[in-house]
Amino acid sequence: AQSVTQPDIHITVSEGASLELRCNYSYGATPYLFWYVQSPGQGLQLLLKYFSGDTLVQGIKGFEAEFKRSQSSFNLRKPSVHWSDAAEYFCAVGAASGTYKYIFGTGTRLKVLA
Amino acid sequence: DAGITQSPRHKVTETGTPVTLRCHQTENHRYMYWYRQDPGHGLRLIHYSYGVKDTDKGEVSDGYSVSRSKTEDFLLTLESATSSQTSVYFCAIRGSGEAYEQYFGPGTRLTVT
Repeated sequence: AQSVTQPDIHITVSEGASLELRCNYSYGATPYLFWYVQSPGQGLQLLLKYFSGDTLVQGIKGFEAEFKRSQSSFNLRKPSVHWSDAAEYFCAVGAASGTYKYIFGTGTRLKVLA
Repeated sequence: DAGITQSPRHKVTETGTPVTLRCHQTENHRYMYWYRQDPGHGLRLIHYSYGVKDTDKGEVSDGYSVSRSKTEDFLLTLESATSSQTSVYFCAIRGSGEAYEQYFGPGTRLTVT
């Protein structure tokens, strides 16, 4: 069955520290992979995406993610976290054809300490 | 900004009443989706549409129906609202980028009392 797992429900980091949010997926074919961010009371904003090519992808707000096929992972990273990064982060896997439906992870809520 | 609006943005309704949520897009996208977001569940797909009058069920479609009579509008109806349908509802469109990424509306917070 297709699934996306975000093992960490909550993560707390200090401002200026590095960040890694984990995402593991189970998908039959080569997946399209996405990270979204949601600030409180807001909609979801696309941070970055992977669909082919270079396995290290750059996104907005200084985020990057690495696709590791052997580990079925697509972890999100940022070298230095800012207080404004406090939000909830969602990983999603999408179909490359047909209905283009997504499967979302359950999210990781990031808290940033000043 | 993918030109997606949702209405209403907030609604409180009573158990057993019908409710319709509207999603409107301005960029002629073919695919549209309705999700619900609940704590601990992420976003779950309710229904989606792949064209005018073409819709299909998602993973949590029980108690919901949809309609799409125009490209720009995708309506989600709760025929008889229940407390378990208290949630935040998001509409999305499939973009035309290489990864067919989805773009989301601002959401509708629905409370069923």
